[in-house]
Amino acid sequence: GAVVSQHPSWVICKSGTSVKIECRSLDFQATTMFWYRQFPKQSLMLMATSNEGSKATYEQGVEKDKFLINHASLTLSTLTVTSAHPEDSSFYICSASQGAPSYNSPLHFGNGTRLTVT
Amino acid sequence: AQSVAQPEDQVNVAEGNPLTVKCTYSVSGNPYLFWYVQYPNRGLQFLLKYITGDNLVKGSYGFEAEFNKSQTSFHLKKPSALVSDSALYFCAVRPPDTDKLIFGTGTRLQVFP
Repeated sequence: GAVVSQHPSWVICKSGTSVKIECRSLDFQATTMFWYRQFPKQSLMLMATSNEGSKATYEQGVEKDKFLINHASLTLSTLTVTSAHPEDSSFYICSASQGAPSYNSPLHFGNGTRLTVT
Repeated sequence: AQSVAQPEDQVNVAEGNPLTVKCTYSVSGNPYLFWYVQYPNRGLQFLLKYITGDNLVKGSYGFEAEFNKSQTSFHLKKPSALVSDSALYFCAVRPPDTDKLIFGTGTRLQVFP
């Protein structure tokens, strides 16, 4: 159980276009989802916390107008990279906590999306 | 500042030998501690967690971790390494009263046949 599906697994887009990444919890409801960005050979950087039915909470230094997050249902959160530039190329990973946020519960991660902006 | 340190970028071990991947943390209060593994171009998979109780925690795929409060460490261990254990391992800490995870920089484990 506790499967998180992320789509697409990879995407190539042209500079200036927008890309939408979907994160779905397949067999559980996720009130809260998290979006991470991972640079090559580096750790995961938390970008934002996505809460169902409310605005996302962004970490310091993350542009909310560039990385639009929508959490419209208990099983789906989307990240849209708007007006993408080559420096946005990265590996984006979503995660979700099963049920209501629980501090001792592990997060379940999607398989990530490799974004390449040309 | 709250942080997690994984001092080794890479750990090399021969198959069949024991392995240790180190993790120390700097967090106020009593945090929850986690280990995750990542295979190439994949998300993270949960291995084990420490919440409270016995300092030795057993997890998936034969891995275990030892919590040491005085040394603020949570080292990952396995008695006998497999080539298939080769991957990137992340230690993570969740400070009290928060749902966010703070990740270490990761340690690449390479197990040689």
